[in-house]
Amino acid sequence: ETGVTQTPRHLVMGMTNKKSLKCEQHLGHNAMYWYKQSAKKPLELMFVYSLEERVENNSVPSRFSPECPNSSHLFLHLHTLQPEDSALYLCASSPGLSSYEQYFGPGTRLTVT
Amino acid sequence: DAKTTQPTSMDCAEGRAANLPCNHSTISGNEYVYWYRQIHSQGPQYIIHGLKNNETNEMASLIITEDRKSSTLILPHATLRDTAVYYCIVRVTTNAGGTSYGKLTFGQGTILTVHP
Repeated sequence: ETGVTQTPRHLVMGMTNKKSLKCEQHLGHNAMYWYKQSAKKPLELMFVYSLEERVENNSVPSRFSPECPNSSHLFLHLHTLQPEDSALYLCASSPGLSSYEQYFGPGTRLTVT
Repeated sequence: DAKTTQPTSMDCAEGRAANLPCNHSTISGNEYVYWYRQIHSQGPQYIIHGLKNNETNEMASLIITEDRKSSTLILPHATLRDTAVYYCIVRVTTNAGGTSYGKLTFGQGTILTVHP
């Protein structure tokens, strides 16, 4: 247990569906991150938030829409996804943006059909 | 970003030391070397980091060469639960819209298999 939880753990959605991934951290951290891990590809940083403000959008398509309502929660809203968006989506948090350690959740395994 | 090079896979016998090498010949003077690992079906887990000096914690030791162009992660007594993908990362301070943050760029890592 890292103190970072993600729900759901598995999700299957059609290309016309709208769904949301949820991340919650119980560590009192101020920074949160979304990563994507596709099969046979390295982890890719998608978004960075600090104190609920988006710091980085790493050229992510608009069909992925992040939301950070408070420093403990991070959402990734999904709509009109493509099959190539199937991947493991990982959330992480850190005390601050310059902290040396990021704590990762277990991820949500997303399959787009 | 400074690139790291790691062997694709390594084997280690249970109870023996696992020595995982990493090359980072383009590392800059103020960039840290980080190691994370990812056990199957889990998120990555921080192991250790260092700048110049060798570092040790309860999980592992990190040996960085004097010229900082390479490093070695040492798991002193590997167990079956240490089977994972090990990532060597050069952490870069990135500026985004006037805000700086430490960016971790993951490569393919080394698949370490610990066998009985």
